[in-house]
Amino acid sequence: EVQLVESGGGLVQPGGSLRLSCTGSGFTFSTYRMHWVRQAPGQGMEHVSTISSNGGSSYYADSVKGRFTISRDNSKNTLYLQMGSLRVEDMAVYYCARDPGLTNSWFDFWGQGTLVTVSS
Amino acid sequence: DIQMTQSPSSLSASVGDRVIITCRASQSISTYLNWYQQKPGKAPKLLIYAASSLQSGVPSRFSGSGSGTDFTLTISSLQPEDFATYYCQQSYTTLVTFGQGTKLDIK
Repeated sequence: EVQLVESGGGLVQPGGSLRLSCTGSGFTFSTYRMHWVRQAPGQGMEHVSTISSNGGSSYYADSVKGRFTISRDNSKNTLYLQMGSLRVEDMAVYYCARDPGLTNSWFDFWGQGTLVTVSS
Repeated sequence: DIQMTQSPSSLSASVGDRVIITCRASQSISTYLNWYQQKPGKAPKLLIYAASSLQSGVPSRFSGSGSGTDFTLTISSLQPEDFATYYCQQSYTTLVTFGQGTKLDIK
């Protein structure tokens, strides 16, 4: 059974840092592109970042560029999102998602989400 | 950025109804369009990918169509478990964008 389990969310002050983790199981983690998507309370979804299967390529939304870093450790089947200089507007549930596409892209499995609260 | 606009934003319907949700892209995206269902407090669930391909395990009452800029998600006969929020997503660009969502509730 495919599973993605996020962890690392919590309460942080504006300007602070946090590292999210997403551990995959039930599939060959190293062969999938992976994503972070966030959803602010009561709002729609925003694609935050993408990383290729081997970690060689990564992409960021303009809203987080220069503040967030995506990475992965395929030996640990784990995806990371290092978040810095956090702002109130970064407060959201953060989901990791698996992408089986090659020339196309779709998110076929998602984690349960981890809540990041940015508040003083 | 490619903007995705869904209509309607909310919809009331009854069990057994046929429901159509539309999604329009701000530029042509070929068939790089996916649909998700989200229930409160849960992660999104993939329903349709590449505009019309049904994800494994998703009931056949769900179908998708369209290409270019205009797309539809059809639920042929609403079931009680289908009341949720639906999102379209374009994957034409590396950083995808989502529609604002269509909340489907019980009439």
